[in-house]
Amino acid sequence: GESVGLHLPTLSVQEGDNSIINCAYSNSASDYFIWYKQESGKGPQFIIDIRSNMDKRQGQRVTVLLNKTVKHLSLQIAATQPGDSAVYFCAENPTYNNNDMRFGAGTRLTVKP
Amino acid sequence: DAGVTQSPTHLIKTRGQQVTLRCSPISGHKSVSWYQQVLGQGPQFIFQYYEKEERGRGNFPDRFSARQFPNYSSELNVNALLLGDSALYLCASSHSGGGNIQYFGAGTRLSVL
Repeated sequence: GESVGLHLPTLSVQEGDNSIINCAYSNSASDYFIWYKQESGKGPQFIIDIRSNMDKRQGQRVTVLLNKTVKHLSLQIAATQPGDSAVYFCAENPTYNNNDMRFGAGTRLTVKP
Repeated sequence: DAGVTQSPTHLIKTRGQQVTLRCSPISGHKSVSWYQQVLGQGPQFIFQYYEKEERGRGNFPDRFSARQFPNYSSELNVNALLLGDSALYLCASSHSGGGNIQYFGAGTRLSVL
């Protein structure tokens, strides 16, 4: 993903709407991807992961889509709630032999009640 | 079960000093990774240790070093601190050495004056 420093991409949604957060990754050899949620003052929290042999994976209220052709990930959150407000990071693992995860710049999601 | 624990939570140092940060992984996890997160950016990989051996190293100067102990806890050391070292330092643990979920601690906030 493109680093934008302090100017995080932002997404504002109404409570109850669906949210879609997008991420472009850089390494076509990456075979493992994770979405993390980070609230202010906390460490990143695991949301969902996907391996490169899949193009879709669903969790509770969340779905991750992987398009390897264009090196694109998306996170869909259904029925977004105020507690979903946070910064969301996608991370790619370009080297299967270690845990060197490369994080994108993040997207700040704000949910309006 | 306890998650990843880091200490201290906050630290203030002056330029040129040395600092040691500590991390205890989730019970049963054998891999610990360290990340640096500058305000407004995603975490950047510094080191990974797996079974007490260095498994990966990011693009950080030799002032940064780490080790892992027989109980799988880990320390990150930074020598000759610079103002630019001010950041949130995150520790993540995982069960195995690569391609799996990493669980993060809350981090140590380091301020260098």
